[in-house]
Amino acid sequence: GEDVEQSLFLSVREGDSSVINCTYTDSSSTYLYWYKQEPGAGLQLLTYIFSNMDMKQDQRLTVLLNKKDKHLSLRIADTQTGDSAIYFCAESEPGTYKYIFGTGTRLKVLA
Amino acid sequence: GEEVAQTPKHLVRGEGQKAKLYCAPIKGHSYVFWYQQVLKNEFKFLISFQNENVFDETGMPKERFSAKCLPNSPCSLEIQATKLEDSAVYFCASSQFGPGNTIYFGEGSWLTVV
Repeated sequence: GEDVEQSLFLSVREGDSSVINCTYTDSSSTYLYWYKQEPGAGLQLLTYIFSNMDMKQDQRLTVLLNKKDKHLSLRIADTQTGDSAIYFCAESEPGTYKYIFGTGTRLKVLA
Repeated sequence: GEEVAQTPKHLVRGEGQKAKLYCAPIKGHSYVFWYQQVLKNEFKFLISFQNENVFDETGMPKERFSAKCLPNSPCSLEIQATKLEDSAVYFCASSQFGPGNTIYFGEGSWLTVV
């Protein structure tokens, strides 16, 4: 079955870069996503990457995909206190709308 | 609307009572999904709709849970005879096109069963 894993916690200093990692198991996933969830709020789509891409950059966000190792990462440049949240990676099950979510990484940004 | 709208934001029910949650998808989106987020952030897919038709209900508990998306009405998720373990945040999401397309989530409805 599918399983998406992330480290639970990450703490960085304001202004540093954050790298959040994710490993997934379903190599047939066509899209991989990063969502942000702030306390008491819903899921905000940050970015996504198509499986035939290695990298995608969107302002402060850089997504790297290593299909061979089934490893996805999200890099946040110049991390700000407002970036403190839980970050979820997700893969879409091909042919369905089922998203398999990771366990979430709680990012804490220290001033 | 431009965002997925869920109501109520918070709902408290006594064990055994009924709970009903509502979702208005983004205007023009044909697909609606329900996810349940329980403790430890685990997300569980419940059901999806293509317009008013059930698309995939493989995540729905066989008993007590039902969902509908009727024309010109908000979609709904209903839990009969709630149990303590139903306490969770229920997220609705919508998407414009078919599988593989990005889905957009609402802010969730927080159900507490006491």
